[in-house]
Amino acid sequence: KAGVTQTPRYLIKTRGQQVTLSCSPISGHRSVSWYQQTPGQGLQFLFEYFSETQRNKGNFPGRFSGRQFSNSRSEMNVSTLELGDSALYLCASGGAGYEQYFGPGTRLTVT
Amino acid sequence: QQQVKQSPQSLIVQKGGIPIINCAYENTAFDYFPWYQQFPGKGPALLIAIRPDVSEKKEGRFTISFNKSAKQFSLHIMDSQPGDSATYFCAARVEDSSASKIIFGSGTRLSIRP
Repeated sequence: KAGVTQTPRYLIKTRGQQVTLSCSPISGHRSVSWYQQTPGQGLQFLFEYFSETQRNKGNFPGRFSGRQFSNSRSEMNVSTLELGDSALYLCASGGAGYEQYFGPGTRLTVT
Repeated sequence: QQQVKQSPQSLIVQKGGIPIINCAYENTAFDYFPWYQQFPGKGPALLIAIRPDVSEKKEGRFTISFNKSAKQFSLHIMDSQPGDSATYFCAARVEDSSASKIIFGSGTRLSIRP
């Protein structure tokens, strides 16, 4: 079974721009969660999608949004990028149980 | 209430030793406690997990000990090897209004000396 894939793996953007990150979950998994990882704040929950619906949301500003498609693939968008948005963005795929499996992440650098 | 406190922040152990990483929580609604291992440049990998109705779980060289009354759980790595050098995260799952999320500890950077 293929694992979770995330694209792109690396991204450099300028302040004020917007960015879209993509995640393909494990085949058969319907839940996708997004996390932001930084050295200072650790792993922080952004949101979770299940069957194209956002089920849960963390404490992030409205500049962070996401969506999920009918094939369970998910995208995350960040608008009006700030320097502090530089981070590793991880998505995690969940099946019927409680386990979540992470992808390799997208390293976003905002200059 | 929704925090998971992890210690120590970093740990150095000689090969063959038994590193122990501890986590504590307050929210009794947490119902699933996974541990993740992360190598540099990679996403976290699920290592082992436990539910609160079990006091211990072993998978290979990795053991979780769970103390429900103290609201603490810990990871032990038996016969540690240099290849175990990584950052380890404990976590806890909470269900809230039919949605769940996982709260992570701050991480422990483990180094196993040859």
